[in-house]
Amino acid sequence: SQQGEEDPQALSIQEGENATMNCSYKTSINNLQWYRQNSGRGLVHLILIRSNEREKHSGRLRVTLDTSKKSSSLLITASRAADTASYFCATASIQGAQKLVFGQGTRLTINP
Amino acid sequence: DADVTQTPRNRITKTGKRIMLECSQTKGHDRMYWYRQDPGLGLRLIYYSFDVKDINKGEISDGYSVSRQAQAKFSLSLESAIPNQTALYFCATSEGFSYNEQFFGPGTRLTVL
Repeated sequence: SQQGEEDPQALSIQEGENATMNCSYKTSINNLQWYRQNSGRGLVHLILIRSNEREKHSGRLRVTLDTSKKSSSLLITASRAADTASYFCATASIQGAQKLVFGQGTRLTINP
Repeated sequence: DADVTQTPRNRITKTGKRIMLECSQTKGHDRMYWYRQDPGLGLRLIYYSFDVKDINKGEISDGYSVSRQAQAKFSLSLESAIPNQTALYFCATSEGFSYNEQFFGPGTRLTVL
């Protein structure tokens, strides 16, 4: 079964607004990553947050991690039309084989 | 030039045909992966390879096989394609540990009729 589950599945906002996406997971993790996928294209890595970190920033992106609740959020501030894409969280479990497990994604649409 | 390339980019085939999807990378990474993506779903891991001599099954390996011909090349084969293997297929690489950042190819859209 999928380790990460994103919420909401789809989000539509106006350009300039902030977009928040959430990810919940089930097992203890080494790190959690967020990726972006433009329609029909390969995934692009956005940010990695380690299990001992609580918040991380990269440009207009802000990621938080709450290991006690097994959840993470991705905030995109001052959204732009070019931010329209699907966003996936991926978790790296500390147990078992070393691999990432991806969630089902949030489809973000920025309306001009 | 792209660091991770996949060929072909699109392929339409018929049920029962053998299909090979190829992946090449210039990043010098040891670890390579094959994923499958279905509409509205996340990525599911098919096979992964930590080096040329180390190949492992992923979540959904049935009906698929792989070959790691060199550090830079990792091929995915569908021995006898079936319609429910219609999907978008991605190759990815990573450096060092598999839970590091992964770099993805552009994908191959496969349709099995």
